[in-house]
Amino acid sequence: DTAVSQTPKYLVTQMGNDKSIKCEQNLGHDTMYWYKQDSKKFLKIMFSYNNKELIINETVPNRFSPKSPDKAHLNLHINSLELGDSAVYFCASSQDRARDRGGNEQFFGPGTRLTVL
Amino acid sequence: GQNIDQPTEMTATEGAIVQINCTYQTSGFNGLFWYQQHAGEAPTFLSYNVLDGLEEKGRFSSFLSRSKGYSYLLLKELQMKDSASYLCAVKIGGQNFVFGPGTRLSVLP
Repeated sequence: DTAVSQTPKYLVTQMGNDKSIKCEQNLGHDTMYWYKQDSKKFLKIMFSYNNKELIINETVPNRFSPKSPDKAHLNLHINSLELGDSAVYFCASSQDRARDRGGNEQFFGPGTRLTVL
Repeated sequence: GQNIDQPTEMTATEGAIVQINCTYQTSGFNGLFWYQQHAGEAPTFLSYNVLDGLEEKGRFSSFLSRSKGYSYLLLKELQMKDSASYLCAVKIGGQNFVFGPGTRLSVLP
């Protein structure tokens, strides 16, 4: 009964390969996110999806593409992997609420550690 | 641009009180969140402020001053398990969040 799950947990691959990371949430939340946490532990938002619509695409290379088959899933596909893509990728979800009703705290998945060789 | 500052590291003693500060300069403000992240794990939500003042949740409290672009997280009765990184995050609008660099707290016996 994990709230937000990601697969795989570890991913080691060669430069130039294409890979996907899957994410599922069973919380019934409206919005899902992808974050990248680099070696300096900086957590940066990459994408968010609300009701299957892309809301944000922070200056992320177009080699990265989010795909949401339904409200409970947001997968991350990465083409032509580069060394600099090595990081931990976190998926998260949140329930839309008015700011005066608690905001919308995010629930994070366990992370996927991607290593590009 | 968006800028959030936090001290890089702090050390405190078990049973003590520690205050972790966060200052922000962002293009919008729609709430400030604190998360805890243990090494090798995912961030977990601690607290949320959208209006000025103090929010208390057990051993944890968070304060916000919007006019000063300032928040702090107060941890009381520190326990060894509180050793972790603490992340300040600002919601700048819509579904966009900016995270600070995090403060690594070490609790010593």
